[in-house]
Amino acid sequence: DAMVIQNPRYQVTQFGKPVTLSCSQTLNHNVMYWYQQKSSQAPKLLFHYYDKDFNNEADTPDNFQSRRPNTSFCFLDIRSPGLGDAAMYLCATSSALTGGADTQYFGPGTRLTVL
Amino acid sequence: AQSVTQLGSHVSVSEGALVLLRCNYSSSVPPYLFWYVQYPNQGLQLLLKYTSAATLVKGINGFEAEFKKSETSFHLTKPSAHMSDAAEYFCAVTQNSGYSTLTFGKGTMLLVSP
Repeated sequence: DAMVIQNPRYQVTQFGKPVTLSCSQTLNHNVMYWYQQKSSQAPKLLFHYYDKDFNNEADTPDNFQSRRPNTSFCFLDIRSPGLGDAAMYLCATSSALTGGADTQYFGPGTRLTVL
Repeated sequence: AQSVTQLGSHVSVSEGALVLLRCNYSSSVPPYLFWYVQYPNQGLQLLLKYTSAATLVKGINGFEAEFKKSETSFHLTKPSAHMSDAAEYFCAVTQNSGYSTLTFGKGTMLLVSP
């Protein structure tokens, strides 16, 4: 089945220690998104790629960066995680074929714990 | 700017009862509207979406929603709740141009009791 895969599902890191979260997709979608979701809150868009074009949300901290080496993979790098960065990180994709009507397909998420 | 407001952070129903989750939107242009469901420790799954075709939209698992422009609403309903419907539900809006950058509501947790 075509899908969005996130690894690892659970990640524990230490305060200030860089961490990378991974997302891959078999849907061949043009757009890949990264969301941060804190407990009992809505997902908050951090940034997204349309093909290789990177789009950063205005309020995304500089501590968060992303790479998309090819269509299938996208990475979220947190350079110096703080306690406030503990959250679920969701990756999603969309085809961009129907514009705003596109469905976003979500991965299962990576839950990040910062000690 | 676009936004959605979900009334009620928690809704409790008995199994077999009607489910009604409320969503109101604000958008300066005709919107596309979505309902997603999230089970614990999982990603979001699309229930249904309004894309300016039929105003009554049917989705998966027996859910449906009606787009009412005059009320700027897109409420989610299901005639008979099942225990497996217990989850968090998010309403989201995007503009009908470009590609979809979703703006989510704060979510409504649906609790289903036997």
